Amino acid sequence: GAVVSQHPSRVICKSGTSVKIECRSLDFQATTMFWYRQFPKQSLMLMATSNEGSKATYEQGVEKDKFLINHASLTLSTLTVTSAHPEDSSFYICSARTGTGFLAKNIQYFGAGTRLSVL
Amino acid sequence: AQSVTQLDSHVSVSEGTPVLLRCNYSSSYSPSLFWYVQHPNKGLQLLLKYTSAATLVKGINGFEAEFKKSETSFHLTKPSAHMSDAAEYFCVVSDLTSGGSYIPTFGRGTSLIVHP
Repeated sequence: GAVVSQHPSRVICKSGTSVKIECRSLDFQATTMFWYRQFPKQSLMLMATSNEGSKATYEQGVEKDKFLINHASLTLSTLTVTSAHPEDSSFYICSARTGTGFLAKNIQYFGAGTRLSVL
Repeated sequence: AQSVTQLDSHVSVSEGTPVLLRCNYSSSYSPSLFWYVQHPNKGLQLLLKYTSAATLVKGINGFEAEFKKSETSFHLTKPSAHMSDAAEYFCVVSDLTSGGSYIPTFGRGTSLIVHP
């Protein structure tokens, strides 16, 4: 089946540093990728949607310069948390989807998530 | 606009008894509906999906859900709970937005607790 690999699974960094999280679709082409943030005991909060080769669409309240998203190929999207601070500590999850338009009703395939801890 | 309401934040059952996790949705068009399961510190795994085919959908691990348009519901059921079913469950609706794209909306999640 479709597999999405997210790396790293856990990262601990110092305040002020930048962290990059990778999301790869291993056996399919992902025309759309999503980045979510999840706080403890809460649902997933959509941060941004990215389509291959175009700029990401950010949800209201999400800082574009803080959370840089790149979707340079059909199998890879990256989320970079720039100048991370303790309040950025969270569980970040990516998902990938094939198809555009009507076919975009296809399911999402999720990565295993990345636990970011900023000291 | 679309929305999802998971009516229970927690559901507690005994092992071997039936499971019912409730989900109601609101959508302007013809939605696709999904149930995902998340175990602690893990990503989400698809349990089942409804995409305009049969209204009774069977998924993995013995779960199933019935799409009821008149009630705008998509409740998740399982005849007999196992300890390994203890997890967080998310109901998701995906439909055409005013911007012309398909964006999924997640429910707040239901925590399933299974007692021995």
